[in-house]
Amino acid sequence: GAGVSQSPRYKVAKRGQDVALRCDPISGHVSLFWYQQALGQGPEFLTYFQNEAQLDKSGLPSDRFFAERPEGSVSTLKIQRTQQEDSAVYLCASTEGGGVGWGEETQYFGPGTRLLVL
Amino acid sequence: SQQGEEDPQALSIQEGENATMNCSYKTSINNLQWYRQNSGRGLVHLILIRSNEREKHSGRLRVTLDTSKKSSSLLITASRAADTASYFCATGSGGGADGLTFGKGTHLIIQP
Repeated sequence: GAGVSQSPRYKVAKRGQDVALRCDPISGHVSLFWYQQALGQGPEFLTYFQNEAQLDKSGLPSDRFFAERPEGSVSTLKIQRTQQEDSAVYLCASTEGGGVGWGEETQYFGPGTRLLVL
Repeated sequence: SQQGEEDPQALSIQEGENATMNCSYKTSINNLQWYRQNSGRGLVHLILIRSNEREKHSGRLRVTLDTSKKSSSLLITASRAADTASYFCATGSGGGADGLTFGKGTHLIIQP
């Protein structure tokens, strides 16, 4: 496809369950970002990959959050033992280049995965 | 934590009127970007203005940046119903590729 895709679009989990959220970036894009967007708020940065390397994970809220991009393309965000406060929209974005820093490049966002933890 | 604060939080205007949204930020930046988010969808990049620029235009959009006041404004002229969305400012402020820092957004409603 031409854009960033994410799956599933909606996920309902019981508290304590593990979930895995998938992101397919634009083909050939080097950089991939994950953001968390709570209801009524702006997105908050979680983690960043350049190819398969996770260069920044400073935004991950706890050690229950884990992200990977093993082949430098598709990425998975995993949340273990989900809690109600994890309920949010999880957005993935990609950029063509890598290592430019300072947000110089346009980030292309996917539609997000809306996670509801009951 | 979020860097920017958009003002107002919500804005409702008539179609054809101009809409102005403001954004303030706290730390030094290299550039500032504006994004639009339609209900239930991802964000779409609108415009980027660098710290050494004061004003930038793109179609019906006009963005200003005042680094001395750490503020930016987004003006949408001749608004249309399709402009109804949430608008976010985002800053790139890290020394490396650390993602964007977004504000809380302005929810804009265009009344037909």
